[in-house]
Amino acid sequence: QKEVEQNSGPLSVPEGAIASLNCTYSDRVSQSFFWYRQYSGKSPELIMSIYSNGDKEDGRFTAQLNKASQYVSLLIRDSQPSDSATYLCAVNMKTSYDKVIFGPGTSLSVIP
Amino acid sequence: EPEVTQTPSHQVTQMGQEVILRCVPISNHLYFYWYRQILGQKVEFLVSFYNNEISEKSEIFDDQFSVERPDGSNFTLKIRSTKLEDSAMYFCASSEARGGQPQHFGDGTRLSIL
Repeated sequence: QKEVEQNSGPLSVPEGAIASLNCTYSDRVSQSFFWYRQYSGKSPELIMSIYSNGDKEDGRFTAQLNKASQYVSLLIRDSQPSDSATYLCAVNMKTSYDKVIFGPGTSLSVIP
Repeated sequence: EPEVTQTPSHQVTQMGQEVILRCVPISNHLYFYWYRQILGQKVEFLVSFYNNEISEKSEIFDDQFSVERPDGSNFTLKIRSTKLEDSAMYFCASSEARGGQPQHFGDGTRLSIL
């Protein structure tokens, strides 16, 4: 089983809609979860971190974590064309103190 | 906002040559990392570094790789004898603490091995 899985997409949403990005992970005792945004040819940019079950909101972004289901998601409200990028889910496994495991990313396209 | 800086942005090297990639982490960060991303693939952890020693490394980080903090600001990744398959984006990252604290990435160095 792959450690961090995401739908590769592309996910297309109209401008102003909610984009929903999903991620599952294999290590049940993982502690820390991150969403990064990566524009083509650029480096990962941290959007949010989440550590406990429930929702965490930051502006137009909401991260949701369900450790029992080993599932983390990112909602982007009022999607803008500038949100078009690849979104990387990243997990810090309990088995490793430093290593962050990245998923393959979901490509999001926001259509004007 | 403080940022991680990497140089050069693009490095072209002949196969078999040594290459050094340089990074200046965020000034108050104590934990440093290197990741790589082969074109079209996911970001992969290489190594973490704290207090002048490697704290963790992946199976990718074999004997051809080494890291060093030669002074108070720079953090380097050396690849001793480059191979074609070393062609990738190499990202440096840093964090204030370890154990799952957010890691902030530099813009990366694109390494092309000919």
